[in-house]
Amino acid sequence: EAQVTQNPRYLITVTGKKLTVTCSQNMNHEYMSWYRQDPGLGLRQIYYSMNVEVTDKGDVPEGYKVSRKEKRNFPLILESPSPNQTSLYFCASSHGQGAQENQPQHFGDGTRLSIL
Amino acid sequence: GNSVTQMEGPVTLSEEAFLTINCTYTATGYPSLFWYVQYPGEGLQLLLKATKADDKGSNKGFEATYRKETTSFHLEKGSVQVSDSAVYFCALVNSGGYQKVTFGTGTKLQVIP
Repeated sequence: EAQVTQNPRYLITVTGKKLTVTCSQNMNHEYMSWYRQDPGLGLRQIYYSMNVEVTDKGDVPEGYKVSRKEKRNFPLILESPSPNQTSLYFCASSHGQGAQENQPQHFGDGTRLSIL
Repeated sequence: GNSVTQMEGPVTLSEEAFLTINCTYTATGYPSLFWYVQYPGEGLQLLLKATKADDKGSNKGFEATYRKETTSFHLEKGSVQVSDSAVYFCALVNSGGYQKVTFGTGTKLQVIP
C-alpha cells in the first residue's frame, strides 16, 4: 500500500529537549515536505526537499532542521523545542521535477507535538 | 507571491443541502489547482484537481472548475451527506516542475442529519 508514515503520532515533551519526527514514504517520490497546521493559519511549509541531499527552507523554517540522506526518509529535527512549536505536523511527498503535470501531495496522518 | 483565499468557516448544512465553498487565488504563471479533504484525526487527502483553465475536477460528487478569468476554483456538491463533514483545503502548485504548494486556511464543514 502506498503511504507516508510519520512517527510518533503524539508527543508531549519539555522545552529544550531535542526531538526528531520521522517520515518515510514507499512511493519512490522525489519531493518531500514538512508542514505545520495551526488554527486559523492553515498549512505552512517548514522545509522541503527536491531529492536526496537537496533541501531548502519553506515559509516557517526557524527552529527546525531536516536531512535527506535517503530518498524514502525525511526526518524533522527540533534541536531545542519551544512552546511556540506546539502544533500538528504533516509530512508529504510527491513526484517532483520531470513530472508531466503538477502532482498532488500524499500526506502522512500527522504528528501532534506539545512542548511544555 | 502566491496566495489562496478560502471562505471562512465553519459551514453548517443539513443533509442533502447544496454546498459551495469559495476559493480564489493569486499566482504567477499557470498553476494547477487542488482541493484536499481532512477527516478528523487524519492527514489531508486529494479530493480533486484541475491543471488548466476551464478544466473541471470531480470526485465523490464534488466538482470544481478552474476559472482563470475570475481566478477561482469553487468547490460544489449537490447533496451533502453527514460523512462529508471534514475540513476542506484549496491549494495551488506553481507550474514549472517545482512542487511548491500554497494552501488556503481551510474551511470546516459540518453536515447535520
